[in-house]
Amino acid sequence: DGGITQSPKYLFRKEGQNVTLSCEQNLNHDAMYWYRQDPGQGLRLIYYSQIVNDFQKGDIAEGYSVSREKKESFPLTVTSAQKNPTAFYLCASSIVTGQPQHFGDGTRLSIL
Amino acid sequence: QKEVEQDPGPLSVPEGAIVSLNCTYSNSAFQYFMWYRQYSRKGPELLMYTYSSGNKEDGRFTAQVDKSSKYISLFIRDSQPSDSATYLCAMSAVRGYGQNFVFGPGTRLSVLP
Repeated sequence: DGGITQSPKYLFRKEGQNVTLSCEQNLNHDAMYWYRQDPGQGLRLIYYSQIVNDFQKGDIAEGYSVSREKKESFPLTVTSAQKNPTAFYLCASSIVTGQPQHFGDGTRLSIL
Repeated sequence: QKEVEQDPGPLSVPEGAIVSLNCTYSNSAFQYFMWYRQYSRKGPELLMYTYSSGNKEDGRFTAQVDKSSKYISLFIRDSQPSDSATYLCAMSAVRGYGQNFVFGPGTRLSVLP
C-alpha cells in the first residue's frame, strides 16, 4: 500500500539535544512538507520541499532543519535552538505543490 | 483578515443528524478545495477535494464550493459516532507554494449515539 511513514511515533528529547524525525513516502510525490500541530491549534508549516535537493522555510522554521537528498525521504531535525519543541509533528506529501496533500500519522515529541 | 476562517465549534449532534461544516476564504486565486478528517492522535486524512467550483458527492459526504462567495461547505448525512473527529478545510492555488496552501483551524465534531 502506498503511503507516508513517520517514525518514531513517540520521541523524547533531553535539554540541549538534537533529534531527527523520519518521514518516508512511496507515493512517488515530488513535494513534501513538515507541519507542527499544538493542542487545539491548526497546522503550522515548518519547511517544504518541491523537489529533491531543494527546500524552503515555512512560517516557523527557526530551530528546525531539513534535508531532501532522496525523493522519498524528508527528515526533520529539531535542534537545541528550538526552545519549545513539545508538539505533534506531521509530514505530508503531494504530487506537486498546490495539489492535495497526504499525511503520515505523526510523531509526538516531548521534553524529558 | 485571516486567509481562511472556519466555524470554530465544537459541534455536538445526535446520531443520524445532518452536519454542515463551513469555511470562508479571502484569496481568489485558490483553485483546489479540500476537506480533511483528523482523529485524535492521528494525521489528517484527505476526505474529499474539488477543483474550482461545484459539488462533489461521496457516499454520505457532499462538498460544495461557491467561489463567487468564497465559501465552502462539507455536509455529512446520517451522521455516525465514527464521524466524531476534527474536520479541517484546506485550499490552494494551482502549483501553490508553501504559503499558498492554507488550512483552516478545524472544527471538532461529536456525534452522540
